[in-house]
Amino acid sequence: AQSVAQPEDQVNVAEGNPLTVKCTYSVSGNPYLFWYVQYPNRGLQFLLKYITGDNLVKGSYGFEAEFNKSQTSFHLKKPSALVSDSALYFCAVRDRARGNNRLAFGKGNQVVVIP
Amino acid sequence: NAGVTQTPKFRILKIGQSMTLQCTQDMNHNYMYWYRQDPGMGLKLIYYSVGAGITDKGEVPNGYNVSRSTTEDFPLRLELAAPSQTSVYFCASGYTEHYGYTFGSGTRLTVV
Repeated sequence: AQSVAQPEDQVNVAEGNPLTVKCTYSVSGNPYLFWYVQYPNRGLQFLLKYITGDNLVKGSYGFEAEFNKSQTSFHLKKPSALVSDSALYFCAVRDRARGNNRLAFGKGNQVVVIP
Repeated sequence: NAGVTQTPKFRILKIGQSMTLQCTQDMNHNYMYWYRQDPGMGLKLIYYSVGAGITDKGEVPNGYNVSRSTTEDFPLRLELAAPSQTSVYFCASGYTEHYGYTFGSGTRLTVV
């Protein structure tokens, strides 16, 4: 089984402050991990992914995420938040087991960046 | 632009009516997926397909059907609409297991 937990419903942050969106995962094997962003009335857009290699992954719009195997976490971070970062963020995981072609998504975190 | 195209964008159905949500992708992706998104619930997988002629159930398949006669198209059929099917529906496609998904812009369905 594979699952994702995003423990916070909403994250509020002042513009210019660091932004962190938390994600923990559960898989029986090793994970592929993804972050997506959804702006109002739009589909989800890919931000970044961890497949293998360096635990720190850099993605679009200045976002990065750190894979921590011991804590089974993949938190999304941005050093300085912008008002335009206000959106819904989804973490997703796929167990690397053979034949598994499906992503499991978390419930999403609403990020509100306050001017 | 290349991507995943969903139609219609909005639809209101009466209880018991039927409809088909269309999804087309032009990226030659083998994998295609249908999700529904409900507030505070994230995305739930309805059906998916790993190639033309192959479909399988996801987490919440009841009340829906799919077909995959071509690589490009993956329509979702609602046979007897119920209020519980009021949701936003997203189609997505993917190339390999290393690849993220490309999502369509969604169909907002209301059943009254």
